[in-house]
Amino acid sequence: DGGITQSPKYLFRKEGQNVTLSCEQNLNHDAMYWYRQDPGQGLRLIYYSQIVNDFQKGDIAEGYSVSREKKESFPLTVTSAQKNPTAFYLCASSNGRESFYEQYFGPGTRLTVT
Amino acid sequence: GDSVTQMEGPVTLSEEAFLTINCTYTATGYPSLFWYVQYPGEGLQLLLKATKADDKGSNKGFEATYRKETTSFHLEKGSVQVSDSAVYFCALRYLSGGYQKVTFGIGTKLQVIP
Repeated sequence: DGGITQSPKYLFRKEGQNVTLSCEQNLNHDAMYWYRQDPGQGLRLIYYSQIVNDFQKGDIAEGYSVSREKKESFPLTVTSAQKNPTAFYLCASSNGRESFYEQYFGPGTRLTVT
Repeated sequence: GDSVTQMEGPVTLSEEAFLTINCTYTATGYPSLFWYVQYPGEGLQLLLKATKADDKGSNKGFEATYRKETTSFHLEKGSVQVSDSAVYFCALRYLSGGYQKVTFGIGTKLQVIP
């Protein structure tokens, strides 16, 4: 079955450590996205990538970094520079040629930093 | 910039009640509009979509009509079930700087009681 996988589902880190969240898709989608979800704030875009080896900052990119070396993978690194990293992180993908850019979401990773 | 405004929740309804969740949008072009649903601890799933004015999206008994004259895309269901309890997000796809982007509302939590 095609879909998006995010791992792990729960992640715990100590303050000051970098952590990388995994996102893999086998939908053959060109575009991938990272969102952060906080209670009462909806989804906020962190980074997005329309094609391999290209990515753009979203609305809240500070303290985060990404790479897009393969079409299937779009890992997100939460660095120690991110002031409030504890949140629910969602990865998504889309393919404009077929689906009017509707986004398909992974199950999310809940990151807790103490 | 392009945005959506969604009614704040939570919304609590009895089973078989009629549901309306309001969503209005601001856009400079001709956006596509979406409703996504998020069940507890999961990612978002596309519920329905509409790509042009007067289109009606429908799925699982939910409906929403793209109204250009009122810039609205309200979600409705005639008879809700306990299993409809979730958070519902209105979303808009638009073109920005040559890139397709999606902006989400803050989400409306629906609780259906037996």
